Amino acid sequence: DGGITQSPKYLFRKEGQNVTLSCEQNLNHDAMYWYRQDPGQGLRLIYYSQIVNDFQKGDIAEGYSVSREKKESFPLTVTSAQKNPTAFYLCASSAPRDRGEYGYTFGSGTRLTVV
Amino acid sequence: AQSVTQPDIHITVSEGASLELRCNYSYGATPYLFWYVQSPGQGLQLLLKYFSGDTLVQGIKGFEAEFKRSQSSFNLRKPSVHWSDAAEYFCALAGTGFQKLVFGTGTRLLVSP
Repeated sequence: DGGITQSPKYLFRKEGQNVTLSCEQNLNHDAMYWYRQDPGQGLRLIYYSQIVNDFQKGDIAEGYSVSREKKESFPLTVTSAQKNPTAFYLCASSAPRDRGEYGYTFGSGTRLTVV
Repeated sequence: AQSVTQPDIHITVSEGASLELRCNYSYGATPYLFWYVQSPGQGLQLLLKYFSGDTLVQGIKGFEAEFKRSQSSFNLRKPSVHWSDAAEYFCALAGTGFQKLVFGTGTRLLVSP
């Protein structure tokens, strides 16, 4: 079955450390997204990519970086510059609007905690 | 700028009672609208979506939503709630151009026996 796989499910980061969250999809979607979820704030867009080797900042990109070297993969790095990284991170992908199955598919998330 | 408002942070409904979750949006044209459900510690599951055409859309798990352009609303309804419906519900909007999805802050549904 097609879907999005996020790993790890739980991640612990020490102060000053960079960590990378994995996101892989086998849906053949061009567009991929990273969202951050905090209680009471809904989901906020960190970065998105419309196509391989191209990505744009979302609403809260500071302290994060991404790469898109393959269509299937869109890893997110939480750098030491992100002052409050403890949150639930969700990856998503979407099919183009001219395809009948237009919509967004989400992974099961990674919970990052600073220790 | 596009935005989504879910005015109710929490809603408690008795099992078997009807449910309506409110969603209002701000956008200059007809948007693409979605409702998602999230169980604790899980990702988001799509309940239903509206693109155009019939303003009453049916989704999974017995949910439906009605698009009302005059009220800029897309409320989610279910005639009889089950205990397994307890979760957080998100309304989301995608405008024209590239399809970034904008979310409301969510409504947590509690189901009482």
